[in-house]
Amino acid sequence: GQSLEQPSEVTAVEGAIVQINCTYQTSGFYGLSWYQQHDGGAPTFLSYNALDGLEETGRFSSFLSRSDSYGYLLLQELQMKDSASYFCAVRDRDFNKFYFGSGTKLNVKP
Amino acid sequence: GAVVSQHPSWVICKSGTSVKIECRSLDFQATTMFWYRQFPKQSLMLMATSNEGSKATYEQGVEKDKFLINHASLTLSTLTVTSAHPEDSSFYICSARESGGGTYNTGELFFGEGSRLTVL
Repeated sequence: GQSLEQPSEVTAVEGAIVQINCTYQTSGFYGLSWYQQHDGGAPTFLSYNALDGLEETGRFSSFLSRSDSYGYLLLQELQMKDSASYFCAVRDRDFNKFYFGSGTKLNVKP
Repeated sequence: GAVVSQHPSWVICKSGTSVKIECRSLDFQATTMFWYRQFPKQSLMLMATSNEGSKATYEQGVEKDKFLINHASLTLSTLTVTSAHPEDSSFYICSARESGGGTYNTGELFFGEGSRLTVL
């Protein structure tokens, strides 16, 4: 089976940096993705890591350590519009299924 | 970017009736689509994987006869909630992967806007 753990909620101020961690357990693993979901909206893709290391995309970066079954999403220069839920998702060894974590609600305050 | 259209956005039905939800990839082909269920402030729970031209594969604990999935073309998958009951009330959301192209290797999923089902 699969299980993913994320903090349920994080609060930070505009302009700050926040890190959202994700630990996972899976019978097979190909990669870790991150998605953003605003209330009432569809999840949108942010990043994907298949190999160890850091992937940077603008203000967002994602890190993966396969040996530790751990990854994180780093959000820099926080803006109010970044207030949303963030989900990590494991792409499993079937290469065709994606299992999501419980989500982290990020609250950005002025 | 790739667009997935899902409808209806909202549906209210009486207990015992069936409801069909459609998921269409508008500008790309999707051999595989996924159906998720999301409870308020909770995660996306994978219900089933919909494969074009073949039977869907269901996750453990998901009733195949209650949640019928059909993937008749490369751009359309449907989820039918049969004999709906109040406990089936939820937010159902589909996603699709491109059959080829750059996003295939990244595993990027494109999500529909979701369908909120309320069973009275």
